[in-house]
Amino acid sequence: DTAVSQTPKYLVTQMGNDKSIKCEQNLGHDTMYWYKQDSKKFLKIMFSYNNKELIINETVPNRFSPKSPDKAHLNLHINSLELGDSAVYFCASSQERWDPSSYNEQFFGPGTRLTVL
Amino acid sequence: KNEVEQSPQNLTAQEGEFITINCSYSVGISALHWLQQHPGGGIVSLFMLSSGKKKHGRLIATINIQEKHSSLHITASHPRDSAVYICAVGGWGGSNYKLTFGKGTLLTVNP
Repeated sequence: DTAVSQTPKYLVTQMGNDKSIKCEQNLGHDTMYWYKQDSKKFLKIMFSYNNKELIINETVPNRFSPKSPDKAHLNLHINSLELGDSAVYFCASSQERWDPSSYNEQFFGPGTRLTVL
Repeated sequence: KNEVEQSPQNLTAQEGEFITINCSYSVGISALHWLQQHPGGGIVSLFMLSSGKKKHGRLIATINIQEKHSSLHITASHPRDSAVYICAVGGWGGSNYKLTFGKGTLLTVNP
């Protein structure tokens, strides 16, 4: 059983198009994330949602809009795609408990490789 | 300067060798995470630690909070250990736990 799944795995599209990537987790977690991994394999957080509410929004262009219809799903919609958006996008989830002494294992999806031509 | 620095960036070893990957960080943290990313792309969590040492099979992770430094060791390395190993520090910002990543270490173990 896949814990965190993403679709599609590969996405090739033209500049200027709008595309979406879907993420679903069956772990019952409250918190989901989107990360971007650039061509040098560097991972950076984009967004975090807790119980369908946007919590972290790093300095990401507003062409990127996350949507969480329920706590098991976090989709990423990208408008007016640019060449620089080419990357691997990872979804992840964790069960966060607000406790400064605690830390949370994150479970990653398989990634979506986006190529903008 | 990145908040999380890993060394080396690339590491090539012969099968059976003892491997060490280092991670230094400059911010306060709740925990340090070691992740593994295989050539196929998937990312798995290896360890989370906030003090001391943890061991899982041939993998050992240590952390020194005072020195803000962690090491990942692989004993008796094997070609299947070839992967990118990523150090990430986790901390609470407001009510959220956030990971900040190092740039990864590409490990290649030759038979």
